[in-house]
Amino acid sequence: AQRVTQPEKLLSVFKGAPVELKCNYSYSGSPELFWYVQYSRQRLQLLLRHISRESIKGFTADLNKGETSFHLKKPFAQEEDSAMYYCALFSGNTGKLIFGQGTTLQVKP
Amino acid sequence: DVKVTQSSRYLVKRTGEKVFLECVQDMDHENMFWYRQDPGLGLRLIYFSYDVKMKEKGDIPEGYSVSREKKERFSLILESASTNQTSMYLCASSQQIFTEQYFGPGTRLTVT
Repeated sequence: AQRVTQPEKLLSVFKGAPVELKCNYSYSGSPELFWYVQYSRQRLQLLLRHISRESIKGFTADLNKGETSFHLKKPFAQEEDSAMYYCALFSGNTGKLIFGQGTTLQVKP
Repeated sequence: DVKVTQSSRYLVKRTGEKVFLECVQDMDHENMFWYRQDPGLGLRLIYFSYDVKMKEKGDIPEGYSVSREKKERFSLILESASTNQTSMYLCASSQQIFTEQYFGPGTRLTVT
């Protein structure tokens, strides 16, 4: 079955601490993975996709096919990073984007 | 600038009513999507459309239907609203099926 799992509903860290938002996937083909973010009172938007291998707002995510993971990392969290983060997998078989359950990141001052 | 708009931010309807949620995009995108967003469940795909008058069922199509008569407009219809359809509804569009999806601001629907 094609599935995306984000095991943490809430991740709370202090400003300046490292952040890692976990994402595991289940997919038989070659995965195409995304991280989307929703800041308070804003619409959901793309943060990054693994194929572009970019760093956006200091965040990076590396695809680990052996562990079937695509964790989102940032070395030093900022208060403005507080948001809901969704990991998503594009299924080439069905043409659908499959989202995880979401993780709320709370960065405390 | 990419823009996806939804007809209402908040909507309150009664059980059994027919409900229309409208979504319009101005990017000439081929693909449009309807999701519902529930805490702890993430986003779940209801229906999507890859062309005018074309539609495909998503993961939770029961109780919903859609209409796409024009490229820029994708409507979600609740034939007979029920309380378990109380949710946040998000519309999205994309140029290609595998590229970035652009989301609307959402419609929070409450069915009483």
